[in-house]
Amino acid sequence: DGGITQSPKYLFRKEGQNVTLSCEQNLNHDAMYWYRQDPGQGLRLIYYSQIVNDFQKGDIAEGYSVSREKKESFPLTVTSAQKNPTAFYLCASTRKGRDSRPPLHFGNGTRLTVT
Amino acid sequence: AQSVAQPEDQVNVAEGNPLTVKCTYSVSGNPYLFWYVQYPNRGLQFLLKYITGDNLVKGSYGFEAEFNKSQTSFHLKKPSALVSDSALYFCAVSLSYNTDKLIFGTGTRLQVFP
Repeated sequence: DGGITQSPKYLFRKEGQNVTLSCEQNLNHDAMYWYRQDPGQGLRLIYYSQIVNDFQKGDIAEGYSVSREKKESFPLTVTSAQKNPTAFYLCASTRKGRDSRPPLHFGNGTRLTVT
Repeated sequence: AQSVAQPEDQVNVAEGNPLTVKCTYSVSGNPYLFWYVQYPNRGLQFLLKYITGDNLVKGSYGFEAEFNKSQTSFHLKKPSALVSDSALYFCAVSLSYNTDKLIFGTGTRLQVFP
């Protein structure tokens, strides 16, 4: 079955360390997204990529970085510059379809705890 | 600025009763509206969307939603709730001219009691 795989499911890091969250999809989707979920705040867009080797900042990109070297992969690095990194991170993807607006497919998330 | 509001943090309903989860939006262009559901420690799952056409949209698991342009609302409904419908529900909107940015509401927790 096709889908999106996020790993690891739980991640613990010390403050000041960079950490990379993995997101892989085998849906042959062009666009990939990273969202951050905090209780009571909904989902906020961190970065997105519509095509390999290209990506754009979302609403809360500060302290994060991404790469898109392969169509299937869109890893997110949470840097030490991110002031409040503890959160649930969700990766999503979708095929291109401007008028039909295909829905996002989500991975099962990575829960990052920084102490 | 574009925004989505889900005015209720939690909705409680008895099994078998109809349920409504409210969503209102504020956008300057034509909105594309979505409902997603999230079960504990999982990603979001797509339920339904409104792009254009009939204001009543039917989706997965017996859910439906009604687009009301004058009230800028897109409430999620189900005629008969199941205990298994208990989850976190998110309304989202994107603009017709921008394929990339999906703005999510803060979520409404639905609790269905047996």
